Amino acid sequence: SAVISQKPSRDICQRGTSLTIQCQVDSQVTMMFWYRQQPGQSLTLIATANQGSEATYESGFVIDKFPISRPNLTFSTLTVSNMSPEDSSIYLCSVAQGRGNTEAFFGQGTRLTVV
Amino acid sequence: AQTVTQSQPEMSVQEAETVTLSCTYDTSENNYYLFWYKQPPSRQMILVIRQEAYKQQNATENRFSVNFQKAAKSFSLKISDSQLGDTAMYFCAFKKTGTASKLTFGTGTRLQVTL
Repeated sequence: SAVISQKPSRDICQRGTSLTIQCQVDSQVTMMFWYRQQPGQSLTLIATANQGSEATYESGFVIDKFPISRPNLTFSTLTVSNMSPEDSSIYLCSVAQGRGNTEAFFGQGTRLTVV
Repeated sequence: AQTVTQSQPEMSVQEAETVTLSCTYDTSENNYYLFWYKQPPSRQMILVIRQEAYKQQNATENRFSVNFQKAAKSFSLKISDSQLGDTAMYFCAFKKTGTASKLTFGTGTRLQVTL
């Protein structure tokens, strides 16, 4: 399985600022996924990132708020822009691998607190 | 759209005992995948077990097994010989076939293994 490293592991940010989360994979992957997990809740997909093309966002998420970069097959970033306390969540990076690319593997997540 | 329901917010089991976590889902798809993920306090999402919908045989991975009832759209997880390290949040997840398809997660069950 892929080894996925996310940075930072946690951060406390002031409202109105932006934070960029990095996701590094130890092997080349076609698709990377960014999820949000609000406190005490399940995971919700923010967007899917393909190398060389714009990310595809899920309903309720927009590029201006969550810009994503995917410069190569092993790296992606998610920026949380103009943060508010409602953005306090765990953000997780994921890749599809395994048999038929059907298994999702996750980074350790970034715990973001906005004050 | 797919939905995944976990009706047990919290469960408790004694060490060495067996526990079953419930999951139901709704889909119009015929081919898909189902997963159980474990999320310990470290936040890392760990794949526990997967099931292909076209396979009638229930998946097993060591102490973990599933009871997959396709007609009933039910996918429960049985943990045998529970260990303290099994304490975690457990998420049931659904994925349509195709590498671009996202994971849809249930709301999770918090499992506490006690002495």
